[in-house]
Amino acid sequence: KAGVTQTPRYLIKTRGQQVTLSCSPISGHRSVSWYQQTPGQGLQFLFEYFSETQRNKGNFPGRFSGRQFSNSRSEMNVSTLELGDSALYLCASSVIAGTRNEQFFGPGTRLTVL
Amino acid sequence: SQQGEEDPQALSIQEGENATMNCSYKTSINNLQWYRQNSGRGLVHLILIRSNEREKHSGRLRVTLDTSKKSSSLLITASRAADTASYFCATPPHAGGTSYGKLTFGQGTILTVHP
Repeated sequence: KAGVTQTPRYLIKTRGQQVTLSCSPISGHRSVSWYQQTPGQGLQFLFEYFSETQRNKGNFPGRFSGRQFSNSRSEMNVSTLELGDSALYLCASSVIAGTRNEQFFGPGTRLTVL
Repeated sequence: SQQGEEDPQALSIQEGENATMNCSYKTSINNLQWYRQNSGRGLVHLILIRSNEREKHSGRLRVTLDTSKKSSSLLITASRAADTASYFCATPPHAGGTSYGKLTFGQGTILTVHP
């Protein structure tokens, strides 16, 4: 099976712009989660989508949003970018069956905000 | 806030030696997972241990879980230069029989294995 793919891999934006990141999960995985990783805050959970519904949301401002499509592909959007949004954004997909919820991560999108 | 706290923050060893990393967590868990991350890349799932398990093995990896102390350890035996990476413990929310795709990660241990 193909792994989790994320596009684009690298992105440079300026403050005030908005950005959309895309994630394609492993085939058959219905749960997609997004994480932000920074040197200062480490790995922080953004949100989880399951069957097109947001099931969990982390402690991030409303500028961060996401959605999931019927084919389980997901996008996240960040509006009005701030310098502090520079980070590695990781997407992960999961089977979510019984007590199994190990996650399979994509390579990430490196966002730099200037 | 981070659920898991890893110890040590950094570990430097020679090839062939064993590496032990520890993780403590704060709340009840259904399972605890360990992940590896090579520099600036995606995370790779290593092993999952359920709350009713005390020890689990996978190749050169050995994970223990002590729910009374809310702690886990990851042992890598006979380490190789290719094991150089950051290692994270992670826990999902405790939600009875329901599983979620949300993980809370520790700060990680940076392991450097010198050839």
